[in-house]
Amino acid sequence: DAKTTQPTSMDCAEGRAANLPCNHSTISGNEYVYWYRQIHSQGPQYIIHGLKNNETNEMASLIITEDRKSSTLILPHATLRDTAVYYCIVRVAFNQGGKLIFGQGTELSVKP
Amino acid sequence: DVKVTQSSRYLVKRTGEKVFLECVQDMDHENMFWYRQDPGLGLRLIYFSYDVKMKEKGDIPEGYSVSREKKERFSLILESASTNQTSMYLCASSPVDRVSTFFGSGTQLSVL
Repeated sequence: DAKTTQPTSMDCAEGRAANLPCNHSTISGNEYVYWYRQIHSQGPQYIIHGLKNNETNEMASLIITEDRKSSTLILPHATLRDTAVYYCIVRVAFNQGGKLIFGQGTELSVKP
Repeated sequence: DVKVTQSSRYLVKRTGEKVFLECVQDMDHENMFWYRQDPGLGLRLIYFSYDVKMKEKGDIPEGYSVSREKKERFSLILESASTNQTSMYLCASSPVDRVSTFFGSGTQLSVL
């Protein structure tokens, strides 16, 4: 599975959009980009995933560059409850056992 | 809602004890996983299972074993607990399409 690079930490003002970048320059054609987040003292939570096209759901939007070497997770109106560690993961959708390999993630702090 | 339930939130054990961590999922998922999470090291995969009675080693299986006798239950066993196994243990499950993975709330194990 391809390696990802994320900033260690970011701040965002409450109510503003939070844009979390991820570099995955060695991504393969059959690898998807997944985002998870982990709020303190809880297990990781799935947010969104995509292959080539931009994706949006009730939680966030995912923008993937045309060359697929980087992506951005967008939380359109960040709240204090969005304070968490955000993980960008790339993997084949149907790899062995569906296992996820977590990097260090980005610690997002949403401030009032 | 998918539920992944871990039997204990906090557990304190003595060095040398045999420790069982239990995990149950209620969504008939084929895949189940055990991770441990340590500060500075992130989440690391210990073992996973893609079917009843099937198991595969993850990245750090040493000192652990697993059991999956029923589809909904995946147990992690520490044969002889050691202090370096003090950690947060997270169980997860995913369906066969492996789109998203669901995590439990974790068990904080302290080995004294």
